[in-house]
Amino acid sequence: DAGVTQSPTHLIKTRGQHVTLRCSPISGHKSVSWYQQVLGQGPQFIFQYYEKEERGRGNFPDRFSARQFPNYSSELNVNALLLGDSALYLCASSWGLADEQFFGPGTRLTVL
Amino acid sequence: GEDVEQSLFLSVREGDSSVINCTYTDSSSTYLYWYKQEPGAGLQLLTYIFSNMDMKQDQRLTVLLNKKDKHLSLRIADTQTGDSAIYFCAESPNTGGFKTIFGAGTRLFVKA
Repeated sequence: DAGVTQSPTHLIKTRGQHVTLRCSPISGHKSVSWYQQVLGQGPQFIFQYYEKEERGRGNFPDRFSARQFPNYSSELNVNALLLGDSALYLCASSWGLADEQFFGPGTRLTVL
Repeated sequence: GEDVEQSLFLSVREGDSSVINCTYTDSSSTYLYWYKQEPGAGLQLLTYIFSNMDMKQDQRLTVLLNKKDKHLSLRIADTQTGDSAIYFCAESPNTGGFKTIFGAGTRLFVKA
């Protein structure tokens, strides 16, 4: 079985642009979570979705939004990019809300 | 508040035991986790412990939980060079929706 996949692997944007990151969970998993990992720090929780509904939100501005599709894949959108948004964005999937999370390899976003 | 703290670096000789320590703040957390991150890779769940347990052993890994002091430790027996990585302590508070709070990570160096 394929693990969690994320696309793209790397992305370079300029300030003010917007970006869409994509995540495909492990087959059968219904929950997807998004994390931001700035270099040298631990992952910071952004969102958790379960059965297409938002079930948890971290302390991030409204420029960050996400959604989950009927096939349980997910998109993370970031508008009006700032330099400080440069980070590794990790997606994790789990069968249920509180089950073990399996992480994807991440998308490295660089904002210039 | 929610915070997970860890020491940043640990250096051990191959064959010795490594002990990585962590303190957390949210006593409502049901699950406490240890993740491993190797360079260029995503996060790998090593082990977890329920908050009603004091100890969990899994092959070379031993997790100790002191709930009174909100202190969690990970002991790696017979540390190998392949154990060199960043180790993250994390908790899942039962308040504020579903989310996982990570520490900044402890970078383990194993000298041959």
